[in-house]
Amino acid sequence: GNSVTQMEGPVTLSEEAFLTINCTYTATGYPSLFWYVQYPGEGLQLLLKATKADDKGSNKGFEATYRKETTSFHLEKGSVQVSDSAVYFCALTPNQAGTALIFGKGTTLSVSS
Amino acid sequence: DTGVSQDPRHKITKRGQNVTFRCDPISEHNRLYWYRQTLGQGPEFLTYFQNEAQLEKSRLLSDRFSAERPKGSFSTLEIQRTEQGDSAMYLCASSLSANEKLFFGSGTQLSVL
Repeated sequence: GNSVTQMEGPVTLSEEAFLTINCTYTATGYPSLFWYVQYPGEGLQLLLKATKADDKGSNKGFEATYRKETTSFHLEKGSVQVSDSAVYFCALTPNQAGTALIFGKGTTLSVSS
Repeated sequence: DTGVSQDPRHKITKRGQNVTFRCDPISEHNRLYWYRQTLGQGPEFLTYFQNEAQLEKSRLLSDRFSAERPKGSFSTLEIQRTEQGDSAMYLCASSLSANEKLFFGSGTQLSVL
């Protein structure tokens, strides 16, 4: 079936550190891949997406590259800020028709100054 | 654009009671989704609508759950004969169409005692 596996958290970093949150997926066909973020007290928001192999999604200094050969979509940021503290969810839609998102369990990031 | 609104924010009920949640999507968004999220887990898909038509339902959606979107605008999710296992955050999301990004509400937190 279709599924998403994320690295377990919490991830605790100091400000300006490099961030990687691993995400791998299992899917039939050619899924679209997403990272959503949930800041404290707020609803889920789309952070970035990629719809085909080798695409790179980017937003707010975050990047993720769709790697079909390793079925991965790791989230990276070169220099995190305290304001990046949130829960990050990797997700996919199994096909290009835009049906329901399948989410990973989420990774909590805590950044201290 | 006022975002996706969900009501109530919190609901406490006794086992066996019925509860109903409301979701008001962003106006003109044709797609409306319901998800359920428990602590430490990612959102799990329940069902979605294209306008007033319910197009997909998850196996998670037992016969005690029913969702409607009668005029293709707001939606309601009803849970009959609630069980303690129904305790979760119920999330609503909407999108302009298929393959467009989802906008999530802040959710309704259900506690079944």
